[in-house]
Amino acid sequence: AQSVTQLDSQVPVFEEAPVELRCNYSSSVSVYLFWYVQYPNQGLQLLLKYLSGSTLVKGINGFEAEFNKSQTSFHLRKPSVHISDTAEYFCAVSDVDSSASKIIFGSGTRLSIRP
Amino acid sequence: DARVTQTPRHKVTEMGQEVTMRCQPILGHNTVFWYRQTMMQGLELLAYFRNRAPLDDSGMPKDRFSAEMPDATLATLKIQPSEPRDSAVYFCASGLSRYYNEQFFGPGTRLTVL
Repeated sequence: AQSVTQLDSQVPVFEEAPVELRCNYSSSVSVYLFWYVQYPNQGLQLLLKYLSGSTLVKGINGFEAEFNKSQTSFHLRKPSVHISDTAEYFCAVSDVDSSASKIIFGSGTRLSIRP
Repeated sequence: DARVTQTPRHKVTEMGQEVTMRCQPILGHNTVFWYRQTMMQGLELLAYFRNRAPLDDSGMPKDRFSAEMPDATLATLKIQPSEPRDSAVYFCASGLSRYYNEQFFGPGTRLTVL
């Protein structure tokens, strides 16, 4: 069975500082990996995804993530955050061969930006 | 700009009443997912469909929850009777099976059961 662990439930950072949100997954098969963002009072929207190929994936709003198969990690990074990045971030994994298209979500990391 | 739509956006009801939430998936998508989000439990998968057929509803309390897809453009989630512990935000998401399993989320229905 697949699982996703987001080690930090909350991450406070100062504006314009770099940030890394950690994600580890567990799976016995090939996976797709996703980061979703949820702004206050909104649904989740896709930030970026890893499907195959280059392990460094770039997403919207200046975010990027690196797939590390040996460490089963998919950490999200941004070199300089803005107030508008305040949101909850969800890491997620999906089995490549799943006919059900199900995604397993992590518990989320709340990113708060201090001015 | 194709989006998943959900109605109502907010619902306040009294314990024991029936609640129906509706979702219109993105046209052409063949998978639909229902999630519930609370502060305590986070994001929980309740049920999902592919080509209108239910694949798994093991996340739902069977005695009071039901999910259906009357047609390809409408998914419904019903709670009867509702209880205060059902208060949550309910999200619908749709996707295209075999297309990298990406899901597109609606804005959610915020349910409050008094």
